[in-house]
Amino acid sequence: DSGVTQTPKHLITATGQRVTLRCSPRSGDLSVYWYQQSLDQGLQFLIQYYNGEERAKGNILERFSAQQFPDLHSELNLSSLELGDSALYFCASSAGLAPDTQYFGPGTRLTVL
Amino acid sequence: SQQGEEDPQALSIQEGENATMNCSYKTSINNLQWYRQNSGRGLVHLILIRSNEREKHSGRLRVTLDTSKKSSSLLITASRAADTASYFCATRGANSKLTFGKGITLSVRP
Repeated sequence: DSGVTQTPKHLITATGQRVTLRCSPRSGDLSVYWYQQSLDQGLQFLIQYYNGEERAKGNILERFSAQQFPDLHSELNLSSLELGDSALYFCASSAGLAPDTQYFGPGTRLTVL
Repeated sequence: SQQGEEDPQALSIQEGENATMNCSYKTSINNLQWYRQNSGRGLVHLILIRSNEREKHSGRLRVTLDTSKKSSSLLITASRAADTASYFCATRGANSKLTFGKGITLSVRP
């Protein structure tokens, strides 16, 4: 158990809908990262927050947004969902801004029908 | 685009044998890390090697890094059925971003 929690574990929704994925980092970790894993694209970095502020951006679509709250939990919002958004979404956390190790949560499997 | 490219894509060995997995990358790095992922689950950090290191050991794991060739290898000795998983190399450059390869699927037959 990495200490990172993600909810929900599974999410099934329809095209055009909007969903919110939630992540609680390990106790004391200030950085939260979001990744998308699909069969064709592999594991893609989406975005990083550090202590409430956006710090790095990867291949995140404009339809996707994230935030980190004062209690350090983070939410990833996915809107106008398309079939191709079906994937595993992972959250990871680390203590610092540019850490050596990231601790991954169990993931949320999103299925868009 | 992927920074790390693992090789082979899939590997099947007998329990007790050694497994060697390779990773190549394109740009300069601060460090290179290996992660394991059991089917459909989160990634678990295995070992990290910094750009100024050449070899590192952790239990049955041995990782090497050749910055001149921009490549790394992960050796798992005396493999066990429980080592069956996907293995990813990830590189970190000057920023905090980790860039992952597409992974190697390792099957260890009992």
